[in-house]
Amino acid sequence: AQSVSQHNHHVILSEAASLELGCNYSYGGTVNLFWYVQYPGQHLQLLLKYFSGDPLVKGIKGFEAEFIKSKFSFNLRKPSVQWSDTAEYFCAVREGSSTLGRLYFGRGTQLTVWP
Amino acid sequence: GAVVSQHPSWVICKSGTSVKIECRSLDFQATTMFWYRQFPKQSLMLMATSNEGSKATYEQGVEKDKFLINHASLTLSTLTVTSAHPEDSSFYICSAREAGGGGYTFGSGTRLTVV
Repeated sequence: AQSVSQHNHHVILSEAASLELGCNYSYGGTVNLFWYVQYPGQHLQLLLKYFSGDPLVKGIKGFEAEFIKSKFSFNLRKPSVQWSDTAEYFCAVREGSSTLGRLYFGRGTQLTVWP
Repeated sequence: GAVVSQHPSWVICKSGTSVKIECRSLDFQATTMFWYRQFPKQSLMLMATSNEGSKATYEQGVEKDKFLINHASLTLSTLTVTSAHPEDSSFYICSAREAGGGGYTFGSGTRLTVV
């Protein structure tokens, strides 16, 4: 089975600081990659996804992620965070050949941004 | 965009009773829905995958007789926790796979507390 690792469990930043959240996965074949955000009391929302093509993916709210196949990584970045980015962030992976389409999630990273 | 409505958002029940959680896709048809369980500070753990009109596929270790899943229509899937016990207390989240298989939309989750 897939494993998805998010090494940072809790990240605390000041506003305007740069953000990078790590995500590594174990599957060696074709993968589809996702980053989701969960604001307090709300449902998971898609930030961005990678299926194929340009490995640098831009998402909503100024987030981007880079797929590095050789490192099995899909790290999330934002140049300048805002207080409103305080939330839980989840990396998820789907095997590209999967007909069931199940996602494997990392354990999440709680981001706290101080104003 | 696609919306998934999950009800109730929280429920408290007595040990030994059953609880039904509903997951509806409001503006799209979802042939596949997923049910997750999330423990505090942990990842979303897939419990089962349900396809409209067929039996759900349960993950290893998930009791199918305890967690009954019904996906009778293209817009509704239900999870019934039967004979609930305090250890079933958790946060349950449903997700619907959008037509074309690209993305997923998540419900806002149900906090179940069994007393």
